[in-house]
Amino acid sequence: SQQGEEDPQALSIQEGENATMNCSYKTSINNLQWYRQNSGRGLVHLILIRSNEREKHSGRLRVTLDTSKKSSSLLITASRAADTASYFCATVAFMMDSSYKLIFGSGTRLLVRP
Amino acid sequence: DTAVSQTPKYLVTQMGNDKSIKCEQNLGHDTMYWYKQDSKKFLKIMFSYNNKELIINETVPNRFSPKSPDKAHLNLHINSLELGDSAVYFCASSQGQGRSDNQPQHFGDGTRLSIL
Repeated sequence: SQQGEEDPQALSIQEGENATMNCSYKTSINNLQWYRQNSGRGLVHLILIRSNEREKHSGRLRVTLDTSKKSSSLLITASRAADTASYFCATVAFMMDSSYKLIFGSGTRLLVRP
Repeated sequence: DTAVSQTPKYLVTQMGNDKSIKCEQNLGHDTMYWYKQDSKKFLKIMFSYNNKELIINETVPNRFSPKSPDKAHLNLHINSLELGDSAVYFCASSQGQGRSDNQPQHFGDGTRLSIL
């Protein structure tokens, strides 16, 4: 079954406001990744947080990870219209042969109104 | 300059036809993937190849056959297309596949497949 679940499914905010998206997962993880998908485009990697990290920053992005609650959040500060996109969390699932696959959540659709 | 490129961008075809989607990456990555994204944006892995060797084969109908002529290319051939195959198919690549690797994946812009 699906590993990550994003919340909310959709979010509409005014430009300049902060946007917070949450992701919950079910099994233990090695790392958790966040991706952005603009309409009609492929996914773009934003940030990776390892299981032994609690918080990570990249520009206007702040990601937190709480392994005890099996959850992560992505905060976009001072949002811009160009941040309008779908945001996905992805967790790593290791296979028997030590290869791995990414399991994506269902995504949060963010609309930033100018 | 495009890192992961896939062709065609749009594919409209009749049920029962056979079609192929091509993918190439110029990042020098070892691993390539095919994903299917349905109408609800749910993205699921189909196949993964590492250095031309199949390493992940999810429960995908055997009408779908990936082929990797070299580590920079991963093509997807689909036989006897069905209505349920309509989706966006994404190719991706990453460096490494080992347990200690935590490499991000780089995606192409997708192929929108519509079955009439």
